[in-house]
Amino acid sequence: DAGVIQSPRHEVTEMGQEVTLRCKPISGHDYLFWYRQTMMRGLELLIYFNNNVPIDDSGMPEDRFSAKMPNASFSTLKIQPSEPRDSAVYFCGVRLIYGYTFGSGTRLTVV
Amino acid sequence: AQTVTQSQPEMSVQEAETVTLSCTYDTSENNYYLFWYKQPPSRQMILVIRQEAYKQQNATENRFSVNFQKAAKSFSLKISDSQLGDTAMYFCAFMSSSNTGKLIFGQGTTLQVKP
Repeated sequence: DAGVIQSPRHEVTEMGQEVTLRCKPISGHDYLFWYRQTMMRGLELLIYFNNNVPIDDSGMPEDRFSAKMPNASFSTLKIQPSEPRDSAVYFCGVRLIYGYTFGSGTRLTVV
Repeated sequence: AQTVTQSQPEMSVQEAETVTLSCTYDTSENNYYLFWYKQPPSRQMILVIRQEAYKQQNATENRFSVNFQKAAKSFSLKISDSQLGDTAMYFCAFMSSSNTGKLIFGQGTTLQVKP
């Protein structure tokens, strides 16, 4: 689905390194979400934005995680420093008039 | 806070048979939306079906239908005539109609369709 483009698709990094995940959503959305998917916890909502403004970041696990949305067509999720337990698939999604659409996720592996 | 629970981590079904995936949720709201999403190995999240809580009629999309029991806060997905391409993880999700926009997912159920 070209509606939300996430990059990179896969990321392998060493513990302690900074990781930046990127999301380019289709236009016309009002909300943008970042989710983390693991086998143990399923899909966890980390943070979401409304019209580029962060609304709720209570799902962000630690201060090592931060997210920005400088404009309607771009958002980032940064982890600094990364740890092995951050290994997961990270999804970006948006709400449009007709419903939600998601990117294909970034699989992050921290070794 | 709203929660969504899928109590079946894994299920399997023979091709052409029918399978039902369970979902329960907890909310104090009267108006909301419920969804089922399919996630194949490609990781893409695909909307299967949606249900508005104010509608009593169960939603249906081809081979996919739901059994929405509002009083019991239950929202199960029935897949009829299962196909190999239905093999995927299925997520139940809840969205409040109070315009928070937040979509809350269950843990997911991995469905394996066997030939």
